[in-house]
Amino acid sequence: KQEVTQIPAALSVPEGENLVLNCSFTDSAIYNLQWFRQDPGKGLTSLLLIQSSQREQTSGRLNASLDKSSGRSTLYIAASQPGDSATYLCAVSSRSGGSNYKLTFGKGTLLTVNP
Amino acid sequence: DGGITQSPKYLFRKEGQNVTLSCEQNLNHDAMYWYRQDPGQGLRLIYYSQIVNDFQKGDIAEGYSVSREKKESFPLTVTSAQKNPTAFYLCASSKWGQGASDTQYFGPGTRLTVL
Repeated sequence: KQEVTQIPAALSVPEGENLVLNCSFTDSAIYNLQWFRQDPGKGLTSLLLIQSSQREQTSGRLNASLDKSSGRSTLYIAASQPGDSATYLCAVSSRSGGSNYKLTFGKGTLLTVNP
Repeated sequence: DGGITQSPKYLFRKEGQNVTLSCEQNLNHDAMYWYRQDPGQGLRLIYYSQIVNDFQKGDIAEGYSVSREKKESFPLTVTSAQKNPTAFYLCASSKWGQGASDTQYFGPGTRLTVL
């Protein structure tokens, strides 16, 4: 059974700091890995998707890496801003019987960026 | 504007009542999903549908039912058999079935509270 763990559960940093969020998964047979952002009481917004054959993806100040063999991914946020404050969720897509796949989510990291 | 809409935003249920949560998408996506999110927990899959008139149970389907009569719509009914329905419910859709190279797009969510 795939399990996804995110560390730390919460993180508070001053504005401008670079930071790293961690995600680990137990079964390396994944199809892809995604990072999502969730604002309080809202739905999820996809930030980055890394296919299993890729090592990293970049979007603006965000960079996500994937080490499938070790079951780890990191989300790097450069020059953090108060608007980055949100919960960040990691999810992996892996096989779930027959030809079906499923997304397994971590519990998220609550990020607070202080002005 | 293309996207996913969920209604209502807030829903209150009395003990023993069935309630139905609406999810509509105009993205022309084939697959649709329902997740449940509890405080401090990752998202858990309730049901998913890859094509019209077909749907599959997720990890926590007991006490829930769905239908997929139209490509655009995937309503979720929370029945009286669901003993602890208070949670935040999220609907999502994707272009292909689970595991494809695309991402899942999420609606804004419905918060259900049992009185």
